[in-house]
Amino acid sequence: EDQVTQSPEALRLQEGESSSLNCSYTVSGLRGLFWYRQDPGKGPEFLFTLYSAGEEKEKERLKATLTKKESFLHITAPKPEDSATYLCAVLGRAAGNKLTFGGGTRVLVKP
Amino acid sequence: GAVVSQHPSRVICKSGTSVKIECRSLDFQATTMFWYRQFPKQSLMLMATSNEGSKATYEQGVEKDKFLINHASLTLSTLTVTSAHPEDSSFYICSATRGTGLNEQFFGPGTRLTVL
Repeated sequence: EDQVTQSPEALRLQEGESSSLNCSYTVSGLRGLFWYRQDPGKGPEFLFTLYSAGEEKEKERLKATLTKKESFLHITAPKPEDSATYLCAVLGRAAGNKLTFGGGTRVLVKP
Repeated sequence: GAVVSQHPSRVICKSGTSVKIECRSLDFQATTMFWYRQFPKQSLMLMATSNEGSKATYEQGVEKDKFLINHASLTLSTLTVTSAHPEDSSFYICSATRGTGLNEQFFGPGTRLTVL
């Protein structure tokens, strides 16, 4: 069974204070690892897909990296508008089209 | 591209009534659509997977007769909560994949259901 664990559960940052979110996973045959951002009362917004170890993707202040066991979402010089819950999910070979989600990391960036 | 809409965004109903939620892919054809439920401060819980023209596949523990799913076209799926009760109150979110092999799911904005 595929499993995803995200840490920390919550993160408080000062504006400009860079940090990283962790997503540890176990999966039988990774077909993709996905990062989403979710604002309160809204659906998740797609950020990145990573397919193989060593892959990196960037979007504005966010950078996602992938190893064989975990993924990191780096937030560089965050702004208050980066406050959200960040969700990690994996798609395994045996899962069909079903994603396995982690519990999320709630990020609060204070001005 | 890859925009998914849901309607309504909020619904309040009386116990015992049925509520229909629509999920549409606006700028792509969705080979597969998914329905999730989310409780406060928790992650998404998959309820069912549906493919156009086929019966939905429900996750273990999800009542098929309570949560009716219809995927009538490549751009529309509906979730009907039948005989709703207060414990069905939740945030329901749909998602869709484009079927291009890239596997990303694109999510709708969600529907907040409150059953009185």
